[in-house]
Amino acid sequence: SQTIHQWPATLVQPVGSPLSLECTVEGTSNPNLYWYRQAAGRGLQLLFYSVGIGQISSEVPQNLSASRPQDRQFILSSKKLLLSDSGFYLCAWNPGGSGGSYNEQFFGPGTRLTVL
Amino acid sequence: AQSVTQLDSQVPVFEEAPVELRCNYSSSVSVYLFWYVQYPNQGLQLLLKYLSGSTLVKGINGFEAEFNKSQTSFHLRKPSVHISDTAEYFCAVSLFGNEKLTFGTGTRLTIIP
Repeated sequence: SQTIHQWPATLVQPVGSPLSLECTVEGTSNPNLYWYRQAAGRGLQLLFYSVGIGQISSEVPQNLSASRPQDRQFILSSKKLLLSDSGFYLCAWNPGGSGGSYNEQFFGPGTRLTVL
Repeated sequence: AQSVTQLDSQVPVFEEAPVELRCNYSSSVSVYLFWYVQYPNQGLQLLLKYLSGSTLVKGINGFEAEFNKSQTSFHLRKPSVHISDTAEYFCAVSLFGNEKLTFGTGTRLTIIP
């Protein structure tokens, strides 16, 4: 069966420091991968998605970047964190392909980021 | 572009009472619809989904939802809630052939003992 991992689970970082959050998926190949941010009291905002190694689409221009160095690894990064980067970051995947039940996404446990 | 509206940000319900969480969507083409549940400090878990066929969809934990194309709605219901149903619920929509999901802002369901 497929599983998705995120780490770290929680992170407290000072303003201006770098960030690296990692997401890995097991038990599948060539998944579509997604990064979301969930700010307090708000819904999920899609930040990035990837349909393959090195292929990254940005949904919202901001202080963050994403990379996909391996098929089942998705990394969210920042060179200098802002206070507004605080939130709950969720990684998700679904099988590569289009249409049908593949629209369903499977979510990881999330990373709680607090920028002070 | 598609959009999702969850008008109720918070819904308090007494234990064993029925509940309905409302979701309306906007799209000019056919859509797929989803309800996810999020327990505190956890990721999202799929409750149910509508892809095609019967408009009444049954999911996990006793939840069901009905797709109403004319009303562009996909309301979530449960006939009798339990304390363990306390969570945040998200409605989401996607277009055929597009794997991206658009989420509503969520509804926090609080069960009162």
